[in-house]
Amino acid sequence: AQSVTQLGSHVSVSEGALVLLRCNYSSSVPPYLFWYVQYPNQGLQLLLKYTSAATLVKGINGFEAEFKKSETSFHLTKPSAHMSDAAEYFCAVSDDGGTSYGKLTFGQGTILTVHP
Amino acid sequence: SQTIHQWPATLVQPVGSPLSLECTVEGTSNPNLYWYRQAAGRGLQLLFYSIGIDQISSEVPQNLSASRPQDRQFILSSKKLLLSDSGFYLCAWRRRGGNTEAFFGQGTRLTVV
Repeated sequence: AQSVTQLGSHVSVSEGALVLLRCNYSSSVPPYLFWYVQYPNQGLQLLLKYTSAATLVKGINGFEAEFKKSETSFHLTKPSAHMSDAAEYFCAVSDDGGTSYGKLTFGQGTILTVHP
Repeated sequence: SQTIHQWPATLVQPVGSPLSLECTVEGTSNPNLYWYRQAAGRGLQLLFYSIGIDQISSEVPQNLSASRPQDRQFILSSKKLLLSDSGFYLCAWRRRGGNTEAFFGQGTRLTVV
C-alpha cells in the first residue's frame, strides 16, 4: 500500500522568502512522486515529477524538489516566494506496480499563503 | 495534444435528485480514467478508476456509481443524491505504463441542498 503525509496544512511566508512544503511517502516499491498545485475552483496542475532519474527535480514556476530515499521524503522548495504562488499544493505517490492500475494517492494538501 | 473536458463546472441539486457528471478525453487512446472527490482540508479521495470500456473499480462504498461507455468517456452518476455528496469532483486521465503524471479536468462543484 502507498501513502503520503504532508506536514502542515497551512504554511505562511513573506514575499521573497524561502518556500518549503514537506512531503513524506510510503511505498512498497520504488515510487513515482508528484507535486501538483491547485488554484481556487480549478483542477490540479503538475509542478514536477520524480520518476527515478535525477533525485533533484526542477519544475515550473521556479519550484524544485529533492527525492531522499533514506528519509522517504520529497519536499518542495522555491528560493523566493511570489504572491502568485499562493495556492494549495498536493504531493502524490504512485508505485504503478502490481494491480495499482496507475492510481495516484494524494496527501491532504498544504495551503500556501504569501504575505506582502 | 491531449485535453480533458469535464462538465458542468457548477451544479446545485436537491436531495434525492439524480446526478450525471461527464468527462471526456481527447488526443489519446486507451487511457486510465479516474474520478476523485475533494472535500475541504481532506485532500483528494479516489472514488472510481477504469482501465477500459465497462471496466470500473470502486475505491470506497458510496452513493455514487461510474460508467465508461466509450474509451474516452467517463461518467459519474447517482440515482438519489445525499447532502454528503456535496463536494468538488475531479476527473483525471493517465497513460498506461508507469511514470507519467495524471492530467485533471477543471472540476465540478456540486452542492446538494
